[in-house]
Amino acid sequence: ETGVTQSPTHLIKTRGQQVTLRCSSQSGHNTVSWYQQALGQGPQFIFQYYREEENGRGNFPPRFSGLQFPNYSSELNVNALELDDSALYLCATNQGGGRGANVLTFGAGSRLTVL
Amino acid sequence: DQQVKQNSPSLSVQEGRISILNCDYTNSMFDYFLWYKKYPAEGPTFLISISSIKDKNEDGRFTVFLNKSAKHLSLHIVPSQPGDSAVYFCAASAQTGANNLFFGTGTRLTVIP
Repeated sequence: ETGVTQSPTHLIKTRGQQVTLRCSSQSGHNTVSWYQQALGQGPQFIFQYYREEENGRGNFPPRFSGLQFPNYSSELNVNALELDDSALYLCATNQGGGRGANVLTFGAGSRLTVL
Repeated sequence: DQQVKQNSPSLSVQEGRISILNCDYTNSMFDYFLWYKKYPAEGPTFLISISSIKDKNEDGRFTVFLNKSAKHLSLHIVPSQPGDSAVYFCAASAQTGANNLFFGTGTRLTVIP
């Protein structure tokens, strides 16, 4: 059982740039969710992917987008970076597409700093 | 608009004593509640959960109590151990098992040996 791994662990970008964050799913988990955790706040739901399609989204603009691949790994893409996008981005995986009494397994996160 | 609130940013407890972490919520549609623990440089780890059809759930040293009328839940850790020192997040969802969890801002627990 490999757990959820995220890359990169830290990165620095400038305003207006684009960033791609990656996540590999825990073995057997077919659903991936992404969360943003700003400093001093709790994680906030961005969106969820199941069977390679987005099937749930929080209150985030379209410049936040994602992909899920056949092996259940995932990417989070953020375009036109803003200073407020500086945060820890957490990937979480589980089974079942968000139905049933599931529990999320989180990765350690990617810390993004936007200057 | 913070739908899940943890009003105590930190809590210190002596080893062996009880730790009580509190959480309040505003959305009456929430029907599933979870506690996650987070160590530095690690992702949150699931600790215990409770469905709205129950008022108590116990797992070893950890017990979660839910008071739906007060929209309040609490996590009790007895006895507290130094390894319990971490940030604890309360989370809620409006659909049992949904991945769209609403998190509180966390409470940092320090257990003093």
